[in-house]
Amino acid sequence: DSGVTQTPKHLITATGQRVTLRCSPRSGDLSVYWYQQSLDQGLQFLIQYYNGEERAKGNILERFSAQQFPDLHSELNLSSLELGDSALYFCASSVGNGRAYEQYFGPGTRLTVT
Amino acid sequence: ILNVEQSPQSLHVQEGDSTNFTCSFPSSNFYALHWYRWETAKSPEALFVMTLNGDEKKKGRISATLNTKEGYSYLYIKGSQPEDSATYLCALNTGNQFYFGTGTSLTVIP
Repeated sequence: DSGVTQTPKHLITATGQRVTLRCSPRSGDLSVYWYQQSLDQGLQFLIQYYNGEERAKGNILERFSAQQFPDLHSELNLSSLELGDSALYFCASSVGNGRAYEQYFGPGTRLTVT
Repeated sequence: ILNVEQSPQSLHVQEGDSTNFTCSFPSSNFYALHWYRWETAKSPEALFVMTLNGDEKKKGRISATLNTKEGYSYLYIKGSQPEDSATYLCALNTGNQFYFGTGTSLTVIP
């Protein structure tokens, strides 16, 4: 158990809908990262927050947005869902923002869009 | 899109064998390199973060080296055990993005 929690574990929804995935980092960690793992693309970096501020952005679609709250938990919002958004979404956390910090992954949220 | 390559794609070794895999990346984009161990139906587990050319890190029977000038890192497992069976994933941190390789799947045969 990495200490990173993600809810829900599974989510099934229809195309066009909007969902929110939640992540609570390990106690004391200030950075949160979001990743997407789809069948055909492997693990892709979406976005990073550090202490409430966006720090790095990957190939995150405009339909997706994220934020980190004052209590350091983070939410990833996915809207106008398409079949291709079906994937496993991981959240990870690290102590700081520097390059030497290990990232600890949560168990993931499996999203199925029907 | 930046290419991080891992080889081999898969590997079967006998228990007790030592093995190694490679992660190659564009050296001009290097900021840090992460190695992860990823077991089926679990989430990636951090092994090492490597930041300096010539870095060598070790955790038990697993070790890693880094060459940032030529753009590669090696992961070594000494005396493989069945519990080492997993996918080993590397990720390049460019300073503002993370790029993952497709992993090396290791199966250790008892």
